[in-house]
Amino acid sequence: EAAVTQSPRNKVAVTGGKVTLSCNQTNNHNNMYWYRQDTGHGLRLIHYSYGAGSTEKGDIPDGYKASRPSQENFSLILELATPSQTSVYFCASGDATSQNTLYFGAGTRLSVL
Amino acid sequence: QQKVQQSPESLTVSEGAMASLNCTFSDRSSDNFRWYRQHSGKGLEVLVSIFSDGEKEEGSFTAHLNRASLHVFLHIREPQPSDSALYLCAVRGNYNQGKLIFGQGTKLSIKP
Repeated sequence: EAAVTQSPRNKVAVTGGKVTLSCNQTNNHNNMYWYRQDTGHGLRLIHYSYGAGSTEKGDIPDGYKASRPSQENFSLILELATPSQTSVYFCASGDATSQNTLYFGAGTRLSVL
Repeated sequence: QQKVQQSPESLTVSEGAMASLNCTFSDRSSDNFRWYRQHSGKGLEVLVSIFSDGEKEEGSFTAHLNRASLHVFLHIREPQPSDSALYLCAVRGNYNQGKLIFGQGTKLSIKP
């Protein structure tokens, strides 16, 4: 089964601070995704990547940047964190080899005070 | 823009009784449907994937797709208290560059 690891699992940040959420996958999937989950909204796509060096905007990219330095690693960066970015963030990977099934990490709970 | 809606928002059923969850979508050309389960504080695990009209069974989970009516259902046979979780429907269509769109989820509680 696909293994996707997120770090940290919990993070408290101050408004205006920089936050980096990391994701590592060991299944050689080309595509990786960052979602946030909020009550009443389900999962919403922030950024995604088709491979090393590629990043694409999802449905709610404002206030977020992404970095895919390698096949295995995909980071989500909040340059100036705001309280509205308090949420649970999920990373996922998947591609045609998994019939486009997405495999998710355990999530990062971020609180911006 | 693909819209994916789930109903009901929450559902309580007794242990061993069938649980049925509904997901409606807006893009009839959608070709890729998945049901995920999320236990409290955990990540998402895929339960069943379905790509054509009809039924697909995976263990105690059966997905039923009817694209003409824009519905995909999840039936859970003889649920146990450990099946209490948030259930999420995900749909891929030709809009949104083929990305998966998630519903907001149904919170299922199984009473012993």
